[in-house]
Amino acid sequence: ETGVTQTPRHLVMGMTNKKSLKCEQHLGHNAMYWYKQSAKKPLELMFVYSLEERVENNSVPSRFSPECPNSSHLFLHLHTLQPEDSALYLCASSLRQGRDGELFFGEGSRLTVL
Amino acid sequence: RKEVEQDPGPFNVPEGATVAFNCTYSNSASQSFFWYRQDCRKEPKLLMSVYSSGNEDGRFTAQLNRASQYISLLIRDSKLSDSATYLCVVNAGGTYKYIFGTGTRLKVLA
Repeated sequence: ETGVTQTPRHLVMGMTNKKSLKCEQHLGHNAMYWYKQSAKKPLELMFVYSLEERVENNSVPSRFSPECPNSSHLFLHLHTLQPEDSALYLCASSLRQGRDGELFFGEGSRLTVL
Repeated sequence: RKEVEQDPGPFNVPEGATVAFNCTYSNSASQSFFWYRQDCRKEPKLLMSVYSSGNEDGRFTAQLNRASQYISLLIRDSKLSDSATYLCVVNAGGTYKYIFGTGTRLKVLA
């Protein structure tokens, strides 16, 4: 079993749909992250939660709404997305931050917005 | 200016060659540096952290130059299995904010 599990692995949605991405970590980590990876662009940090509190919020449009009910689960709620939001959404977790904060990624959820 | 800049490549090298990548960062307050590896259609995984004194792990050597604000990764005796994208990652001041470069793509040819 992988340490960080993401579902669904693939998602196709229309611009008026509401969907959610789910991430679960089995590593006992304290921090969880959402990153967006688009072609030819660097991974973009979207949100970070530490012990269920949001600690980073990088000017992400409100059509993306994170939720962290506990330290093992992280959701990304999607609402009225745009075609340019099509990307790979990667969840990660870490035990610590800074120099000691190795990120463990899930396999990603590939989102296509029609 | 991008926070973290890398040459996207691809770097095409024959097996056994030595190849080096550089990465520059703009935030002088950055304190922690890493190289991650991402295989095609896979998630990134930590390759190595970069320490001030430089560090080596087998065929891989990472170095930090704070004055010029760049880090480097040297791969010796390249293997076919080294083909991947190498991501430079920078963290400022012990935070949760890990900033990624676009990655440098390496192809090792038989």
